[in-house]
Amino acid sequence: GQQVMQIPQYQHVQEGEDFTTYCNSSTTLSNIQWYKQRPGGHPVFLIQLVKSGEVKKQKRLTFQFGEAKKNSSLHITATQTTDVGTYFCAGRDAGNMLTFGGGTRLMVKP
Amino acid sequence: DAGVIQSPRHEVTEMGQEVTLRCKPISGHDYLFWYRQTMMRGLELLIYFNNNVPIDDSGMPEDRFSAKMPNASFSTLKIQPSEPRDSAVYFCASSLTGGSKNIQYFGAGTRLSVL
Repeated sequence: GQQVMQIPQYQHVQEGEDFTTYCNSSTTLSNIQWYKQRPGGHPVFLIQLVKSGEVKKQKRLTFQFGEAKKNSSLHITATQTTDVGTYFCAGRDAGNMLTFGGGTRLMVKP
Repeated sequence: DAGVIQSPRHEVTEMGQEVTLRCKPISGHDYLFWYRQTMMRGLELLIYFNNNVPIDDSGMPEDRFSAKMPNASFSTLKIQPSEPRDSAVYFCASSLTGGSKNIQYFGAGTRLSVL
């Protein structure tokens, strides 16, 4: 079955530093979604990427979808304490099944 | 819309007891998912339903776990008998086929502690 891997598992950064999490799928994806889970909360949808090589921005967050549609990344510029949480990618395969990655837990030191 | 509603929010029980977790999906959504989240194993898909029919239960850990969806607005996840290793946060999520981006909307979760 489809596998979605995320690295790193954890990341500590100083406030103001940049942060990147990477997502890799064992199969070609039809699209990829990103979710954020705040501590004690539940996953909340952030964005969806569909096209090969697509790049989308949400303020300080930049999302990329690889040319081969098998990998993706989320980059946060100048992290803030409000960015704390776990970021999940979720890849959708040709069978319309969404598979979540293991998540990257971001901790920001003020 | 109130979103996906799960109850109870917290459940503390003793080993061997039956536990029932409840979920009300967003009205009109045709997919419902049950996930389990732990520090060790992350977010695991247990089972999902389409139009109230179980489609894939390969993630259900063992026969102690069962899930039902008697109608479009209600689902239960039952653990009988419960064990300490079942302690986790259980999330229910729903989505709409053909809806904007097929987003999964998660409930607030049920934090289960089995002593």
